[in-house]
Amino acid sequence: GAGVSQSPSNKVTEKGKDVELRCDPISGHTALYWYRQSLGQGLEFLIYFQGNSAPDKSGLPSDRFSAERTGGSVSTLTIQRTQQEDSAVYLCASSLTGGVGDTQYFGPGTRLTVL
Amino acid sequence: AQSVTQLGSHVSVSEGALVLLRCNYSSSVPPYLFWYVQYPNQGLQLLLKYTSAATLVKGINGFEAEFKKSETSFHLTKPSAHMSDAAEYFCAVSDYTGTASKLTFGTGTRLQVTL
Repeated sequence: GAGVSQSPSNKVTEKGKDVELRCDPISGHTALYWYRQSLGQGLEFLIYFQGNSAPDKSGLPSDRFSAERTGGSVSTLTIQRTQQEDSAVYLCASSLTGGVGDTQYFGPGTRLTVL
Repeated sequence: AQSVTQLGSHVSVSEGALVLLRCNYSSSVPPYLFWYVQYPNQGLQLLLKYTSAATLVKGINGFEAEFKKSETSFHLTKPSAHMSDAAEYFCAVSDYTGTASKLTFGTGTRLQVTL
């Protein structure tokens, strides 16, 4: 079956521009997660969705970052006024229920480069 | 909050030799532990998962891990390394925040396999 997909795979943008990153989770998975992977910080949790709601946004680094999920499926992570420190690989994951110990399945990631 | 520590950011083994990647966890409750592998320019792939059903967990590609509560460890092993095992390996713990079961990752261990 289809796994988690993300687009674009690579994004190069100029400092100050807005970017949108897309995630398509595994069909039927109610839980969706965004993580960021960077050289200095490793793998960090950003936000969790259960259905279309985001009960945990604690990992978003600033108010320039936002995310939404529609139809209990596709999610978009938006970064406004990008900064060079936003350069990283953004990974999306989904899991069946979001319960403790539920396996998270990851997409291939979007590599964001801010010039 | 729960955490994991991976000892050794780089490990090099000869093809056919034993692979041992170390992970220690810190948790106030029985943990759910995971090992993921990341090949270059790809997302994370689940190798195996500990859910308290059995202390020795077998995963894909010949990997296994043993949960040792007394040592708070969950080390990953493979009896005989193959060139295709060269990748980065991440240990993770399912950290329930009250609203989300996010994964908290270790800093990763890059495995090099030499002829």
